[in-house]
Amino acid sequence: DSGVTQTPKHLITATGQRVTLRCSPRSGDLSVYWYQQSLDQGLQFLIQYYNGEERAKGNILERFSAQQFPDLHSELNLSSLELGDSALYFCASSARTGNNEQFFGPGTRLTVL
Amino acid sequence: GESVGLHLPTLSVQEGDNSIINCAYSNSASDYFIWYKQESGKGPQFIIDIRSNMDKRQGQRVTVLLNKTVKHLSLQIAATQPGDSAVYFCAEEHSGAGSYQLTFGKGTKLSVIP
Repeated sequence: DSGVTQTPKHLITATGQRVTLRCSPRSGDLSVYWYQQSLDQGLQFLIQYYNGEERAKGNILERFSAQQFPDLHSELNLSSLELGDSALYFCASSARTGNNEQFFGPGTRLTVL
Repeated sequence: GESVGLHLPTLSVQEGDNSIINCAYSNSASDYFIWYKQESGKGPQFIIDIRSNMDKRQGQRVTVLLNKTVKHLSLQIAATQPGDSAVYFCAEEHSGAGSYQLTFGKGTKLSVIP
């Protein structure tokens, strides 16, 4: 158990819908990262927050957004869902930003029908 | 279990033998590298890391080698066990304007033959 929790574990929805994925980092970790893992693209970095502020952006679509709250939990919002958004979404946390181990949560499996 | 890739390179190793998993990274400016293990249905799990000022680092049963000249990283697992069966990812970190991003390789599937 990494100490990172993600909810829900599974999510099934329809195209065009909007969903919110939630992540609670390890106690004391200030950085939260979101990744998408699909069969054809592997693990792709989406976005990072550090102590409530956006720190880095990767291959995140404009339909996707995230935020980190004062209690350091984070949410990833996915809107206007398409079939191709079906994937595993992982959250990771680390104590600080850069040059340190990221601890991954168990992931949320999103299926868009 | 679930597949994390349809066309992953696969390495089959006899239990007790040593395993070597290779990775080529892309950014010569990357200064931090990590190996992760992902078992079916789980998130990636940290195995070992290495900074660019080192060329070798050892952990428990694992060794990471870094060759910056050819941008190559390898993970050696000694006395491979059935529990080592998983997909292994290398990741490189590069920084820019105060931000740090991990870029993951495609992964290698390790199958241990009992």
